[in-house]
Amino acid sequence: KNEVEQSPQNLTAQEGEFITINCSYSVGISALHWLQQHPGGGIVSLFMLSSGKKKHGRLIATINIQEKHSSLHITASHPRDSAVYICAVIGGSQGNLIFGKGTKLSVKP
Amino acid sequence: DTGVSQNPRHKITKRGQNVTFRCDPISEHNRLYWYRQTLGQGPEFLTYFQNEAQLEKSRLLSDRFSAERPKGSFSTLEIQRTEQGDSAMYLCASSLFLGQVFFFGSGTRLTVV
Repeated sequence: KNEVEQSPQNLTAQEGEFITINCSYSVGISALHWLQQHPGGGIVSLFMLSSGKKKHGRLIATINIQEKHSSLHITASHPRDSAVYICAVIGGSQGNLIFGKGTKLSVKP
Repeated sequence: DTGVSQNPRHKITKRGQNVTFRCDPISEHNRLYWYRQTLGQGPEFLTYFQNEAQLEKSRLLSDRFSAERPKGSFSTLEIQRTEQGDSAMYLCASSLFLGQVFFFGSGTRLTVV
């Protein structure tokens, strides 16, 4: 079993839909990243959070430390949101990132 | 450009050849990480540096792989005697301190033919 599990693996939505991507982890962490990866490989950090909730534009990230679970929400989705969204936790004494396998999101116009 | 820079962006090499990739982290970031990502998978940790010291290496990093960060600034990742299984995207990331936000480079895509 992977230390970081994401669901769903693939997600297709219509433009305007509300989207939720889930992440569960089994290790102790100091923080959690939500990352966005576009075709071509570049990765951008959307959020880093260790508790509660963060919002940036149409993106909202929440984390429940007790339940070891985080969610990424996208409101009013748009085709330009199409990308792979990766959950990664900062765990262990060395502060390294442990990645989920990613959720491939495709938003259709 | 003050982001993390990786060179080259793409590398095609014949099996058995040696390749070297370079990563320039954000200036003053003292932690630098190398990851490998294969198609459809999340990145996997290879190794990381705090300043010039290589503090941790994954078991994925076989004897054919070596990484350096000689002056605590840029880093190089060398793969000797490349194999087809080495084909992947090699990603570099840096952070200022332990627990700080990670910044990623665009990656080097290696294809071994």
